[in-house]
Amino acid sequence: QQPVQSPQAVILREGEDAVINCSSSKALYSVHWYRQKHGEAPVFLMILLKGGEQKGHEKISASFNEKKQQSSLYLTASQLSYSGTYFCGTEMGRTYKYIFGTGTRLKVLA
Amino acid sequence: DVKVTQSSRYLVKRTGEKVFLECVQDMDHENMFWYRQDPGLGLRLIYFSYDVKMKEKGDIPEGYSVSREKKERFSLILESASTNQTSMYLCASSLLGQGPGYTFGSGTRLTVV
Repeated sequence: QQPVQSPQAVILREGEDAVINCSSSKALYSVHWYRQKHGEAPVFLMILLKGGEQKGHEKISASFNEKKQQSSLYLTASQLSYSGTYFCGTEMGRTYKYIFGTGTRLKVLA
Repeated sequence: DVKVTQSSRYLVKRTGEKVFLECVQDMDHENMFWYRQDPGLGLRLIYFSYDVKMKEKGDIPEGYSVSREKKERFSLILESASTNQTSMYLCASSLLGQGPGYTFGSGTRLTVV
C-alpha cells in the first residue's frame, strides 16, 4: 500500500523546475507533502483533498488526480533552500493515518 | 511555537533490553503517531492513537507496543530490543479534523548493539 514516488533522486541548478510524482494502487482520500532536510524533522508543505484541486505554497504547488490515484509536486525556479527529501503521504478514506512513500532526494546546485 | 518533543536524540541499548521512547506534544492534538525511518524505505507507521488509552496497529507493529495514558504523551516500547530495530524513530501529532498536517518531532536515533 506504500505509494510509489518518482524520481528517486533529482539534481537541479538554481532556477530550474522539477516535478515529483506520487502514485497509489488504492483510491485516495487525501495526500500530504513534506520536505525533510538532513538531520531534521519532516516539515509539512501542503494537503490536497480528493476533488482534483491544486494548491500552492510560494513557488511550490501540487495537484491531486483522484482518478489516476496520483499527486504531483511542482517546484518552479528552484532555490538552494529547496534541497532535501520530499515525501508524499497518502490517506485512504478519512482515517487520519498516512502511509508515506520512500521519498525523493532533491539537490539544488548553485 | 507548537512542538512535538522526543525525550532523547540519540540512544544506545543492548539486545534484549526493554526500551522506552517518549513523545510529548503541547498542541492538544488528538492524534499521535510513531514512525520509523530507514534509508530506502521511507517512513513506516508502527502504531497510532486517536485518543487517550486508544491505540491501533500500523504497518509494522511486531516487536513494539505503545502507551497513551495522557493526551499529550505517547510512548513507544520495544519489549526486547533487537539489532533490526536500530533505526530513526519519529513521533508525530495532528488534529482530528482537517488540520494542517502532521507536526513531527526531531527524532530519536536508536542503536541496538
